[in-house]
Amino acid sequence: DVKVTQSSRYLVKRTGEKVFLECVQDMDHENMFWYRQDPGLGLRLIYFSYDVKMKEKGDIPEGYSVSREKKERFSLILESASTNQTSMYLCASGEIRWNYGYTFGSGTRLTVV
Amino acid sequence: EDQVTQSPEALRLQEGESSSLNCSYTVSGLRGLFWYRQDPGKGPEFLFTLYSAGEEKEKERLKATLTKKESFLHITAPKPEDSATYLCAVKIQGAQKLVFGQGTRLTINP
Repeated sequence: DVKVTQSSRYLVKRTGEKVFLECVQDMDHENMFWYRQDPGLGLRLIYFSYDVKMKEKGDIPEGYSVSREKKERFSLILESASTNQTSMYLCASGEIRWNYGYTFGSGTRLTVV
Repeated sequence: EDQVTQSPEALRLQEGESSSLNCSYTVSGLRGLFWYRQDPGKGPEFLFTLYSAGEEKEKERLKATLTKKESFLHITAPKPEDSATYLCAVKIQGAQKLVFGQGTRLTINP
């Protein structure tokens, strides 16, 4: 089975801190994605990457950046955390051939205080 | 604008009471519709992919169907362990990403 592993299940950070969320997949997928999920708003795409060192903005990239130095790892960076970035963050990976959609990680629940 | 709308937002059923969840979409060129299940505090888990109108997929008590404007997730004789949020997403022609609906929170009472 494909595994997408997010480094932390729960994080509490202070306003203004730089925050790194890490995601690793083990199936050599080209595409990787970062979403955030909030009640009433559903899943919203922050950034995605379709190759090493390549990135594309999603629907809500403001306040975030990403890094993909290796194919299996996709990092989400909050440059200066704010309370409105408190959310569930979900990483996903998938192949360009869309046979089965994405595989998601278990999520990181980030609280910014 | 590409849109995916799921209804109802929440549905509460008794064990054994069959029902359907709806996912309607307005997109420019559908290249696949996906159903996911999400348990509280976990990431979504893939259920089905549908590609063309008239297609159906089944898995245990779940059956997904697709028309040109919407998809239904039928749940037959549900059990409490079917309680979860069900998410619908579409892949649009020329796009690498999926567009998600807001989900239906399904509760099955024993």
